[in-house]
Amino acid sequence: DVKVTQSSRYLVKRTGEKVFLECVQDMDHENMFWYRQDPGLGLRLIYFSYDVKMKEKGDIPEGYSVSREKKERFSLILESASTNQTSMYLCASSPVRRMNTEAFFGQGTRLTVV
Amino acid sequence: KQEVTQIPAALSVPEGENLVLNCSFTDSAIYNLQWFRQDPGKGLTSLLLIQSSQREQTSGRLNASLDKSSGRSTLYIAASQPGDSATYLCAVLNTGGFKTIFGAGTRLFVKA
Repeated sequence: DVKVTQSSRYLVKRTGEKVFLECVQDMDHENMFWYRQDPGLGLRLIYFSYDVKMKEKGDIPEGYSVSREKKERFSLILESASTNQTSMYLCASSPVRRMNTEAFFGQGTRLTVV
Repeated sequence: KQEVTQIPAALSVPEGENLVLNCSFTDSAIYNLQWFRQDPGKGLTSLLLIQSSQREQTSGRLNASLDKSSGRSTLYIAASQPGDSATYLCAVLNTGGFKTIFGAGTRLFVKA
């Protein structure tokens, strides 16, 4: 089974802190994604990566950055956390197989910024 | 720009009923469509993946259909159970892109 593991289920951080959310997948997938999910807004793509050291902005990249130094690991960084970044963060991975590209998700990290 | 809509937003049914969840999308140029389940406070679990060349996929009590020309997909759940209570999301992967576009989900309650 594909496993996508996020380092924390719950995090509480203070405004202005630098926050790292880590995601690891064990299926050698090329693509990795970070989403945030908010009530009434659904899932919104923050950043994605289709290869090591490659990254592309999603729909809402402001206030975030990412790092992909190894194929299996994709990190989301909040440079200076703000209360409007309180949300559920979901990591996903998928292989590059065209029509059969199935996305797999981690268990989510609920981040609260106080 | 691809938009994915799910109707209804919420649904409550008695145990044992068969039900259909609907998903529509505006751009038929898709690689595939995927149905997910999400339990409260958890991540997404993939249920079914339908490639653009396929019409339907089945897994246990679940059957998903795809009609690309009309931009529609349905998820049929047979003999619903309280354990089916969750939010169901559909998502499409556009041709030529990496981004998966999600619907807002249908929140399902199955009453015992």
